[in-house]
Amino acid sequence: DIVLTQSPALAVSLGQRATISCKTNQNVDYYGNSYMHWYQQKPGQQPKLLIYLASNLASGIPARFSGRGSGTDFTLTIDPVEADDTATYYCQQSRNLRTFGGGTKLELK
Amino acid sequence: QVQLKESGPGLVQPSQTLSLTCTVAGFSLTSYNVHWVRQPPGKGLEWMGVIWNTGGTRYNSALKSRLSISKDTSKSQVFLKMNSLQTEDTATYYCARESPRTGSDYWGQGVMVTVSS
Repeated sequence: DIVLTQSPALAVSLGQRATISCKTNQNVDYYGNSYMHWYQQKPGQQPKLLIYLASNLASGIPARFSGRGSGTDFTLTIDPVEADDTATYYCQQSRNLRTFGGGTKLELK
Repeated sequence: QVQLKESGPGLVQPSQTLSLTCTVAGFSLTSYNVHWVRQPPGKGLEWMGVIWNTGGTRYNSALKSRLSISKDTSKSQVFLKMNSLQTEDTATYYCARESPRTGSDYWGQGVMVTVSS
């Protein structure tokens, strides 16, 4: 199984940049695509797709969100952070079946 | 308008079988994959399994012996059955649509299932 590792929490100030990392124990690249996706989940809500294939913005997602990375190292960046961005962020790989990272809870300082 | 909605019992007794239905609208099950994902209270997301648009299935290795996913394309419904439930299976269960290579772009609101006697 592919294991995804995220830091449990991150605290940033309003208007600053938040960088959330996700590391995998196996390469999730395949034929030029990185099979890594990012989701946002707020309490009591279902997850929402933010980024697909490592760097593609999902429909309706503001450009403050961006993703990058390849192979085994990926990041989600939110710049600038707004109050509404407080949530838990999950990475997910789809290179081999599916697995999620443990989630990173984003809080405001 | 794309919609997914989970339904099923809110309470299941230990050792019993859980049966959930995901009813979809706005797309065809012959064109998209549907995944089941669960989330225990206060914890992270766990991928359970998928039924491909072609009808094939794949499961999380940790659940494979207890889990079955099927669908009725004509009724736009996907079914989850999991047996031998234990208290640690208490969770919110989600179904989610997946477009090829784009991740799960639409999710149901989830259904909370409690395993308790």
